[in-house]
Amino acid sequence: QAQVVESGGGVVQPGKSLRLSCAASAISFSVDPMHWVRQAPGKGLEWVASISYDVSDTHYADSVKGRFTISRDNSNKTLYLEMNSLRLEDTAIYYCAEATLAGPILDVWGKGTTVTVSS
Amino acid sequence: EIVMTQSAATLSVSPGERATLSCRASQSVGNNLAWYQQKPGQAPRLLIYAASSRATGIPTRFSGSGSGTEFTLTINNLQSEDFAFYYCQQYNGWPLTFGGGARVENK
Repeated sequence: QAQVVESGGGVVQPGKSLRLSCAASAISFSVDPMHWVRQAPGKGLEWVASISYDVSDTHYADSVKGRFTISRDNSNKTLYLEMNSLRLEDTAIYYCAEATLAGPILDVWGKGTTVTVSS
Repeated sequence: EIVMTQSAATLSVSPGERATLSCRASQSVGNNLAWYQQKPGQAPRLLIYAASSRATGIPTRFSGSGSGTEFTLTINNLQSEDFAFYYCQQYNGWPLTFGGGARVENK
């Protein structure tokens, strides 16, 4: 059973940076696209960023473009989200999701890590 | 950006009854549509992909239908563990977009 576990969340001031990590267990990690999805308190799901299995392709939500960077280390089965210039509205639970099926279908989710941006 | 709209924010359904959730896309997404279930304090769980294919381990009482811009998630014989939030998501194009969610509550 594939699993992913997020870490790196915390409380940070506006304008500061934070790096999230997501450790995966699936043998197929190196061929699976990976995604970050967030959920602000009491709100719905918002897709944040995606990366192809070979790092050749990345996509970002407009709300984070230019501030967040998604990356991965296939040898260590780890996904990252580098978050810079954090804003109050970035406060959310950040979920890592692995797409083991064909297409951006988010079929393996972690429990999430909480990011709070507060002065 | 493709906007996904879930028309009913809350559905009140009794156990054993059927729940029908709707999702509309602002433009055609073919059958590139997934449904997720989320319970309070938990991560989302994939229920349906490709509009009508059940994910591994999902009970047969969950079914999806539709194509293009109109989609439906049907939960037959609603069980107590089915009271939760449900989100649709299109993956036909970037950015990936979710519907606003619909809560299924005990009537």
